[in-house]
Amino acid sequence: AQSVTQLGSHVSVSEGALVLLRCNYSSSVPPYLFWYVQYPNQGLQLLLKYTSAATLVKGINGFEAEFKKSETSFHLTKPSAHMSDAAEYFCAVSFRDDKIIFGKGTRLHILP
Amino acid sequence: GAGVSQSPSNKVTEKGKDVELRCDPISGHTALYWYRQSLGQGLEFLIYFQGNSAPDKSGLPSDRFSAERTGGSVSTLTIQRTQQEDSAVYLCASRPTSGRTGEQYFGPGTRLTVT
Repeated sequence: AQSVTQLGSHVSVSEGALVLLRCNYSSSVPPYLFWYVQYPNQGLQLLLKYTSAATLVKGINGFEAEFKKSETSFHLTKPSAHMSDAAEYFCAVSFRDDKIIFGKGTRLHILP
Repeated sequence: GAGVSQSPSNKVTEKGKDVELRCDPISGHTALYWYRQSLGQGLEFLIYFQGNSAPDKSGLPSDRFSAERTGGSVSTLTIQRTQQEDSAVYLCASRPTSGRTGEQYFGPGTRLTVT
């Protein structure tokens, strides 16, 4: 069955610390993977996407993610957290057809 | 250009009433998606359209939910005999004809409250 799992519904990091948000998927076919961000009271916007080119993908606002087929993972990272990064982050996966499913989301809190 | 629009932005209805939620996708986008966002539940897939056809309706929670798309453009999500558990934000997204790699563009959502 196709599924997306985001570990940790809430993650807290100190300002300036590494951000790591985890996403794992289950698929029998090569997936296409996306990270979206939702700032408070705003809509979802694309952070980055993996489409079978480079396995390390760079996105907006200093975020990047690495596709690891052996681990079926697509974790999102940022070297140094800013207060403005506080938001909810969603991992999404497109499988064989155009259906796209999302993880349950991870709310990122930045501690001063 | 114009983004994805949804109407109404807020809807309060009494339990048992029917509601219609509307989505206007970006012009030229052939794929259209409906999701439901509830607290702690992330984005729950409901249905998607390719043109006017819905290849996958598996996410619709019950037969009270239905959706249609006409002219390859506007889509309407209808919830009959609303229940309190239907309260959520309903999000619509559209996607261009770039296959599986294209990103989705989301509308602002319709917040549905069933009293």
